[in-house]
Amino acid sequence: EVQLVESGGGLVQPGGSLRLSCVGSGLIFSNYRMHWVRQAPGKGLVWVAGITSDSAFTNYAKSVKGRFTISRDNAKNTVYVELKSLTAEDTAVYYCVRGATNSWTPFNFWGQGTLVTVSS
Amino acid sequence: QSALTQPASVSGSLGQSITISCIGTSSDVGHYDLVSWYQQLPGKAPKLMIFDVTKRPSGVSDRFSGSKSGDTASLTISGLQADDEADYYCSSYTTSGDTLVFGGGTKVTVL
Repeated sequence: EVQLVESGGGLVQPGGSLRLSCVGSGLIFSNYRMHWVRQAPGKGLVWVAGITSDSAFTNYAKSVKGRFTISRDNAKNTVYVELKSLTAEDTAVYYCVRGATNSWTPFNFWGQGTLVTVSS
Repeated sequence: QSALTQPASVSGSLGQSITISCIGTSSDVGHYDLVSWYQQLPGKAPKLMIFDVTKRPSGVSDRFSGSKSGDTASLTISGLQADDEADYYCSSYTTSGDTLVFGGGTKVTVL
């Protein structure tokens, strides 16, 4: 059974930083592109960032480029996203998503998410 | 404002068919056959229902089907069931920054 388990969410002050982690199991993690997608409370889905299976390429939404960094460690079956210069607009549930093997789409399988709250 | 436009809500009676539209542009929906659809049940993570416009992942009911015409993609749910009540989101790859975009989501209500 495929599982993606996110961690690292919590309350952070405006301007602060946070690193989210996502551990995958039940899949050959190194075969797949991985993504982070977020959902603000009561709002829709927003793609945040993606990374190829070998970390050769990363891709970011305009709204987070320069503030967020996606990375992965295939030996640990883990993908990360580092969040910096956080504002209230970054408050959301952040989902880790397994992508395809050689395409940026679709988003094949989703974790349960971790909540990031930016507030003073 | 989302990059792709979906109706906020669609409703239908048990057993009926409904169609959800997803309007994009020549940079996304109209440019690639890379539209996908996701179902999000209340309080749950999204689930892939349709990819590459018309393809269904293993395990997804054949009551769900996708299509595309020009810059508009559509998801049709036939034989509507009570557990189809959920939010549905479309997504597409876009040439604008080579990124991925979602629609604003459509709440499906089964009457």
